[in-house]
Amino acid sequence: GAGVSQSPSNKVTEKGKDVELRCDPISGHTALYWYRQSLGQGLEFLIYFQGNSAPDKSGLPSDRFSAERTGGSVSTLTIQRTQQEDSAVYLCASSLEAVSSSYEQYFGPGTRLTVT
Amino acid sequence: GNSVTQMEGPVTLSEEAFLTINCTYTATGYPSLFWYVQYPGEGLQLLLKATKADDKGSNKGFEATYRKETTSFHLEKGSVQVSDSAVYFCALKGDTGRRALTFGSGTRLQVQP
Repeated sequence: GAGVSQSPSNKVTEKGKDVELRCDPISGHTALYWYRQSLGQGLEFLIYFQGNSAPDKSGLPSDRFSAERTGGSVSTLTIQRTQQEDSAVYLCASSLEAVSSSYEQYFGPGTRLTVT
Repeated sequence: GNSVTQMEGPVTLSEEAFLTINCTYTATGYPSLFWYVQYPGEGLQLLLKATKADDKGSNKGFEATYRKETTSFHLEKGSVQVSDSAVYFCALKGDTGRRALTFGSGTRLQVQP
């Protein structure tokens, strides 16, 4: 079946502009995660959505970052007033959140964001 | 909090050599442990996993055993191929609290023919 998809695959933006990154999880997966992969910081957790529960936003690096998940499916990560240090690959993952699946996370191909 | 420590890379090996990539972790309780692989230009893929002590995860000739006594989950392969060249990430998911994965810094493996 279809995996996790993300768009755009690449985004170049000017410092100070807002960007939106989209994630389409695997159908039926109740949990959705955003991570960031950058040279200096490795792979960092950003935010987690599970069903109708309040999201875990504890990994968001600043209040310029926000995310929403509509209808329990597609998610959008928004970065306002982008800075050069926001340049990274943004990864989305989804999981079934069931013991039987070991909560295995499936990753999308990522969006490479470059802030000039 | 949870943390994962991996050996620094890059690791350069000749084809058919034996591979070990060390991974140790810090976590309370009984985390699940994973190895993810990222091939050049591709996304993260789950390579193998283990969910309880003494479990051995295996896939594509790779193996890792969950050792609670040494808090380790070292990745091994008996005979590497050029196609194994990639970045390998060790990760854990705690059994309480945050559901997100905690990743190690990644180890780049380069296999030469």
